[in-house]
Amino acid sequence: KQEVTQIPAALSVPEGENLVLNCSFTDSAIYNLQWFRQDPGKGLTSLLLIQSSQREQTSGRLNASLDKSSGRSTLYIAASQPGDSATYLCAVPPRYGGSQGNLIFGKGTKLSVKP
Amino acid sequence: DVKVTQSSRYLVKRTGEKVFLECVQDMDHENMFWYRQDPGLGLRLIYFSYDVKMKEKGDIPEGYSVSREKKERFSLILESASTNQTSMYLCASSLLLLNSNQPQHFGDGTRLSIL
Repeated sequence: KQEVTQIPAALSVPEGENLVLNCSFTDSAIYNLQWFRQDPGKGLTSLLLIQSSQREQTSGRLNASLDKSSGRSTLYIAASQPGDSATYLCAVPPRYGGSQGNLIFGKGTKLSVKP
Repeated sequence: DVKVTQSSRYLVKRTGEKVFLECVQDMDHENMFWYRQDPGLGLRLIYFSYDVKMKEKGDIPEGYSVSREKKERFSLILESASTNQTSMYLCASSLLLLNSNQPQHFGDGTRLSIL
């Protein structure tokens, strides 16, 4: 059964620092991996989706990489800002050829960017 | 932009009540999902649906049922609410493609308290 792990559970950095969030998964036969952001008390906002054929995706200051063979993905945030403070979650489909699009989530990394 | 709307942001009900949580999406998505999110447990899939009147159990369907009478609306029903169903409930939708690479889009969540 697919399991997704995110370490660390919480991270605090000063404003302006570049940082990396980690996500690992146990079954490498995935179609894609998705990164989300969640603000306190709110729903999830999709940030990036990396297809299995891709190695990375970029959106503004965010860059997500995917290494299927090692079961890892990273989310790189450049020049962090206090507005980046949120919980970041990664998620993958259960397995290659699995159910119709549902996701298995990590428990998230709570990021705090200090001014 | 995709809009997923959950009917209530906060809801307080009593044990034993029948509770309805409503979710509507405006992008003609085939897939719709209900998750619950609890501290330390992350997001867990309750039910999902890939077509009108179709439903599939997720990881934790006990105590819940769902209804999908129209493509844009997916309802979660707590047949007889219990205190252990106090949680944040999140609805999501996505396009249906077998072995999908489509991102999931989430609503803002309903924070449900059962007293």
